[in-house]
Amino acid sequence: DAGVIQSPRHEVTEMGQEVTLRCKPISGHNSLFWYRQTMMRGLELLIYFNNNVPIDDSGMPEDRFSAKMPNASFSTLKIQPSEPRDSAVYFCASSLDRGNNSPLHFGNGTRLTVT
Amino acid sequence: DQQVKQNSPSLSVQEGRISILNCDYTNSMFDYFLWYKKYPAEGPTFLISISSIKDKNEDGRFTVFLNKSAKHLSLHIVPSQPGDSAVYFCAASALDGNKLVFGAGTILRVKS
Repeated sequence: DAGVIQSPRHEVTEMGQEVTLRCKPISGHNSLFWYRQTMMRGLELLIYFNNNVPIDDSGMPEDRFSAKMPNASFSTLKIQPSEPRDSAVYFCASSLDRGNNSPLHFGNGTRLTVT
Repeated sequence: DQQVKQNSPSLSVQEGRISILNCDYTNSMFDYFLWYKKYPAEGPTFLISISSIKDKNEDGRFTVFLNKSAKHLSLHIVPSQPGDSAVYFCAASALDGNKLVFGAGTILRVKS
């Protein structure tokens, strides 16, 4: 089990640039989540997918943020244009769609720094 | 509006003693609660959970207590070990269980 794989591990970019974060969920998991971790707010859910379909994107902060899941093994989170306040660690997580009995499995995150 | 609150940003405990991490929630629809542990440069990993039909769940050195009337849960680690030093996140879910709401985390330092 390779776990949830995120890339890149670190991303440094200038304000105004487009940023794309990538995630490969655990094979067989059909729910995928994007979280953002900041010192002030902890882990915030941005969006989650079930069977590749976005279910709840109410946590996406602004229209600058978008997420896609074109197939069961890949998802992207895009920020365009990026701003310094977007600096955070972004986590992707996946789970089996078994409701409460299915803990989330997190990737190791992408640390984004926008200067 | 934070629905899950961990009011202690950090906690320091001597090795061998008990660590108690606390969590409060405001949404009465939450019916499932979890604790995750996070080491630096890694993602959070699932530690222990409890359903709202129980008031206690134990797994080795880790026990989670739930007080529904107070909307409060706690994680007890006995005995604490240096390897337990990490950030601990409390999380809660309701209804479909797919949407987990996390607290801000508590940094636990276990001193040897």
